[in-house]
This record gives sequence, C-alpha cells and structure tokens, in this order.
Amino acid sequence: DIQMTQTTSSLSASLGDRVTISCRASQDIGNYLNWYQQKPDGTVKLLIYYTSRLHSGVPSRFSGSGSGTDYSLTISTLEQEDIATYFCQLANKLPYTFGGGTKLEI
Amino acid sequence: QVQLKESGPGLVAPSQSLSITCTVSGFSLISYGVHWVRQPPGKGLEWLGVIWAGGSIHYNSALMSRLTISKDNSKSQVFLEMNSLQTDDTAMYYCARGGVGNYYAMDYWGQGTSVTVSS
Repeated sequence: DIQMTQTTSSLSASLGDRVTISCRASQDIGNYLNWYQQKPDGTVKLLIYYTSRLHSGVPSRFSGSGSGTDYSLTISTLEQEDIATYFCQLANKLPYTFGGGTKLEI
Repeated sequence: QVQLKESGPGLVAPSQSLSITCTVSGFSLISYGVHWVRQPPGKGLEWLGVIWAGGSIHYNSALMSRLTISKDNSKSQVFLEMNSLQTDDTAMYYCARGGVGNYYAMDYWGQGTSVTVSS
C-alpha cells in the first residue's frame, strides 16, 4: 500500500500568517492528492482535489500544489475559522489512505 | 442540498457486530458512490471501503474479512456492517459521497456516528 506522511503533526501560527502544510507519498501518485479540513467539532470538508483544484465554496485563500510524491496545502492569510486539522488523502490507488493530519493552532 | 447522515447503535459489546446506516439526500445513489471512513479518538482518518454507483465494492484489505458494505438505492441508504468488534474499533464512523468528475475525492461528508466497543 502507498503510505501518506504528514511530518508536521501540529503547527502554531498567527492570524494573518501564510501557512503551508506538507504531505509526502511513498511513491508517485500522479497528482491524485486531496486535502480535507476537520473542525474541532468533527465536521469534515473537502478543500482541494487533484492537487490544486478548489472544491465548490472553498475560500480562495486556500490553494494546493505539488507533484510526484510531494504536495502542499497553503493558506495565504490565516483566519480564525481556519483553526482545524488538515488531512491529505491519496486518490489514485486503493486503499485511499489518509495522512496522519496536521493540527493548526493559533 | 447534499446531505449524508449516519445512524448507529452507539455502544457495542466486544465480539459483537456493528451495523451503521448512512441515509443520503440531495443526490441519487444510482449516480454517486459512498465511502466509509472511521476515526478512533485522538487519531487520524482510516478509509474502510466504498460502494460505487454501479454497485461494485472495494474494501480496505486490512479489514476486508470483517466488513460488508451494501446499499438500497430506492431508500437512499448505504449500510456498513462489521463483525467481531474489539475495543480498538471504537471510533467515529463517517460516510462520505464519492464525487463525480473530481478525481475520486470525497466531496460531502456526514456528521459521523460515534461507536464505543465496551462490555
């Protein structure tokens, strides 16, 4: 199985900061990388699919990039409502493994 | 609007079976697949399996022997059954829609249902 690694499990930032969260796959996944946001109440939402495509209704301050095995999610200007845990997810091979998550704190 | 809602037993005794129902609205199971994902307390997300619109099913191989996913298109319901539960199956269980044309992303999620395995 392909392993998905988010090396930073917790990240502290200030409101207004530019924040980047990283994800690494154990092999080339051809841009089939999705990002999800989980709020403290457990609510999960899709943010980005296929590396860089913004899901409907997601604010434009979120963006994604990467290729091969290395991918990242960037929040251009951190807002209070962005406090959450972020998960990457493999989407081109079964099982659709998730990264361990990066908890974003103020 | 698209909605998914999980319903489950809450508490299950060790070695017993679990049944969870995901009731969807705002879309048809004839057109969209549904994934199951779980999250143990304080841990990450684990993909369990998916039932595609056409009815084919894929399971996480690590759990395949204990899992059954099925659906009733006419009732807009998807079912997850897991047998031989142990304490490490304690988790929040989510269903999520498999999007169309979005490279296999899970585009809408339910709120989750908490399952505790305990005697």
